Amino acid sequence: ETGVTQTPRHLVMGMTNKKSLKCEQHLGHNAMYWYKQSAKKPLELMFVYNFKEQTENNSVPSRFSPECPNSSHLFLHLHTLQPEDSALYLCASSQERGGARLEAFFGQGTRLTVV
Amino acid sequence: AQSVTQLDSHVSVSEGTPVLLRCNYSSSYSPSLFWYVQHPNKGLQLLLKYTSAATLVKGINGFEAEFKKSETSFHLTKPSAHMSDAAEYFCVVSDLGFQKLVFGTGTRLLVSP
Repeated sequence: ETGVTQTPRHLVMGMTNKKSLKCEQHLGHNAMYWYKQSAKKPLELMFVYNFKEQTENNSVPSRFSPECPNSSHLFLHLHTLQPEDSALYLCASSQERGGARLEAFFGQGTRLTVV
Repeated sequence: AQSVTQLDSHVSVSEGTPVLLRCNYSSSYSPSLFWYVQHPNKGLQLLLKYTSAATLVKGINGFEAEFKKSETSFHLTKPSAHMSDAAEYFCVVSDLGFQKLVFGTGTRLLVSP
């Protein structure tokens, strides 16, 4: 248990569906991240939130829409996805202190399959 | 810019024998380096980290790694493999201030009885 909880653990959705991934951290951290892990590719950073403000968007398609209502919760809203979006989506959190972020703690991920 | 190369996509060892997972990095600054482990269908767990203190870093589950600046390496070792060590291992480099984590492509460790 890392203190970062993701739900659901598995999700199958059609290309016309709308769904959301949820992440909650119980560590008191102030930075949260979404990563995408596809087979045979390095982890890809998608979004970064610091103190609820989005500070990074790594050219992610608009069919992925993040939301960070507070520093403990992070959502990833999904709509009109493509089969190539099937992957493991990992949430992470870290503490930012004095401009530096300490090591990241990861959730167990949501295995997404787009059919 | 930072980058990290994990030289082996797969490493196979027998239970009780040593483990060596290789990692080389490139960084414009004095880097911070991490090893994470991912068991099947699980998230990533931090094994150990180097942040410019002692060059030999001890982590959880008997793993350790040595930072060698002259070789730009941060190899992960364990004296004796256990079946439960079978997993994917990621070497990660961070830039100054930890603003970005750059992940390697991973090494899958297979442990046979």
